[in-house]
Amino acid sequence: NAGVTQTPKFQVLKTGQSMTLQCAQDMNHEYMSWYRQDPGMGLRLIHYSVGAGITDQGEVPNGYNVSRSTTEDFPLRLLSAAPSQTSVYFCASGYGGPGDAEAFFGQGTRLTVV
Amino acid sequence: GENVEQHPSTLSVQEGDSAVIKCTYSDSASNYFPWYKQELGKRPQLIIDIRSNVGEKKDQRIAVTLNKTAKHFSLHITETQPEDSAVYFCAAHASGGSYIPTFGRGTSLIVHP
Repeated sequence: NAGVTQTPKFQVLKTGQSMTLQCAQDMNHEYMSWYRQDPGMGLRLIHYSVGAGITDQGEVPNGYNVSRSTTEDFPLRLLSAAPSQTSVYFCASGYGGPGDAEAFFGQGTRLTVV
Repeated sequence: GENVEQHPSTLSVQEGDSAVIKCTYSDSASNYFPWYKQELGKRPQLIIDIRSNVGEKKDQRIAVTLNKTAKHFSLHITETQPEDSAVYFCAAHASGGSYIPTFGRGTSLIVHP
């Protein structure tokens, strides 16, 4: 059971470039989300999805797009990278039921925008 | 929406001492309060959680308490060890409803041998 798989682990982008961070889960979880982690700021929610075909914005959505065409995959797209997007990104998924609300995280992507 | 405040941001203790991390939340609809531990360079992982129908929960050296009236919950680690050094996050959300958790800003716990 792979859990939540996130790729790549490291990435360096030039300002203005675009890229997609991949996230896949094999636990049939309804809920998937993307967070960015910056020093002293904790985990801030970028976008989330409560099921295939449904996405919504979180706390810091600007500059990012998401889609959820399948239950398993939830890619995060950076449209035009900026130095302010230098961060560690985590994808997470969860069942969301009343008996099981634990969030399972991917291994993270350390992104540097130069 | 939910707002979670976490204190302190940094906590330094000697091995064997106890450590307490406190969180407050704003949304009275929240009923699930997990704690995650993130070791350096790793992903956050659940270490303990508590639901709103319980006041305290223990698991070996860690315990969590919840005061729903005051909207605060705390993580207690006894007999700290160097391997407890990590960043700890509290979170709050409505299990079974709006699943997405709101996280506190994290506490960096340093346990000195």
